[in-house]
Amino acid sequence: RKEVEQDPGPFNVPEGATVAFNCTYSNSASQSFFWYRQDCRKEPKLLMSVYSSGNEDGRFTAQLNRASQYISLLIRDSKLSDSATYLCVVNRGSARQLTFGSGTQLTVLP
Amino acid sequence: EAGVVQSPRYKIIEKKQPVAFWCNPISGHNTLYWYLQNLGQGPELLIRYENEEAVDDSQLPKDRFSAERLKGVDSTLKIQPAELGDSAVYLCASGERNTEAFFGQGTRLTVV
Repeated sequence: RKEVEQDPGPFNVPEGATVAFNCTYSNSASQSFFWYRQDCRKEPKLLMSVYSSGNEDGRFTAQLNRASQYISLLIRDSKLSDSATYLCVVNRGSARQLTFGSGTQLTVLP
Repeated sequence: EAGVVQSPRYKIIEKKQPVAFWCNPISGHNTLYWYLQNLGQGPELLIRYENEEAVDDSQLPKDRFSAERLKGVDSTLKIQPAELGDSAVYLCASGERNTEAFFGQGTRLTVV
């Protein structure tokens, strides 16, 4: 079993739609969590950190459920520019041991 | 401020040849990572440095891969000899305590 697992995708949604991605992690010692975005043939870039209380950044909302070892990302009012691959990232322990999921591909259609 | 710089951006080599990648992290970042990314997959850690010390190299295929980070700044990753299956994007990233990792643009390696 992979340490970080994501929805396989791809997700094809119309502009303006709401879309949610899920991610589960296997190591209960994981301490911090992130969503990264990766455009085609580009490097991954941080989209947002995920906090225990949940956090929101504009149209993006991240949630963490430690009991279920589950992370989610919600995108509201999807834009064409949101088309990318979204990577779930888990930091295991106090050291900077960043483990990436395989990514979920999103295409927002006009 | 300059980001993580990697070179070369692209490399095509024949199998069994050696190849080296170079990374200059963001100034002041103590942590440096090398990741390998195959098409349709997330980045997979090869090695992580804290300053000049390799603190996690459990996923580095040591029979053919080697890395160094002299003086705790720049780093090189070497493959010798390269195999067809090594074709991938090699990503370098850096970070400091309690911040995210910042990635370079990567080196796209094709082994023919």
